[in-house]
Amino acid sequence: DAKTTQPPSMDCAEGRAANLPCNHSTISGNEYVYWYRQIHSQGPQYIIHGLKNNETNEMASLIITEDRKSSTLILPHATLRDTAVYYCIVPLNSGYSTLTFGKGTMLLVSP
Amino acid sequence: DTEVTQTPKHLVMGMTNKKSLKCEQHMGHRAMYWYKQKAKKPPELMFVYSYEKLSINESVPSRFSPECPNSSLLNLHLHALQPEDSALYLCASSQVSGNTGELFFGEGSRLTVL
Repeated sequence: DAKTTQPPSMDCAEGRAANLPCNHSTISGNEYVYWYRQIHSQGPQYIIHGLKNNETNEMASLIITEDRKSSTLILPHATLRDTAVYYCIVPLNSGYSTLTFGKGTMLLVSP
Repeated sequence: DTEVTQTPKHLVMGMTNKKSLKCEQHMGHRAMYWYKQKAKKPPELMFVYSYEKLSINESVPSRFSPECPNSSLLNLHLHALQPEDSALYLCASSQVSGNTGELFFGEGSRLTVL
């Protein structure tokens, strides 16, 4: 997998937008960026993925820079339940994926 | 049904025991995975099955023996484990074409080896 770099931790006030950055400067042209999160003592949960266009779903938005070397996951109105470790992953472009989890960003949402 | 079900949720075993972890999904996914997660660490890939055949073994010791009896079931047989094998074992499944990076994870089986 392409190497990704994320800040180890971030804080966010409840109701505010949480913007989680990820650097993936070695990404190749056909590799996707995936975001997962893991709430304490639960299995990881898929959030969103993208190639080069910005993406939005019911959970979050993903902004990918034009050079594709970095991306930002946006939780528009963070709640206490969004407290989790967020992982940015660029999996190998194989017929099925083998996700390699880095250390991720621990997001703490406070009242 | 978008669930991956893992049993048992908790398991305590001695170093001489033989036990198994089970994983089941009914989403028609033909890729299934075992990950191991130690406390405060990210999940680490152990095995990948594709179309019920083992395709990736990340140099896992032979005391862990995976089995995929059919497209819905994945087992992990445990024998002669060490205390350092205590961890959360996560099962996941995915498609093998299309959006293959979207893995569906179970809640995990928390294993304690005494």
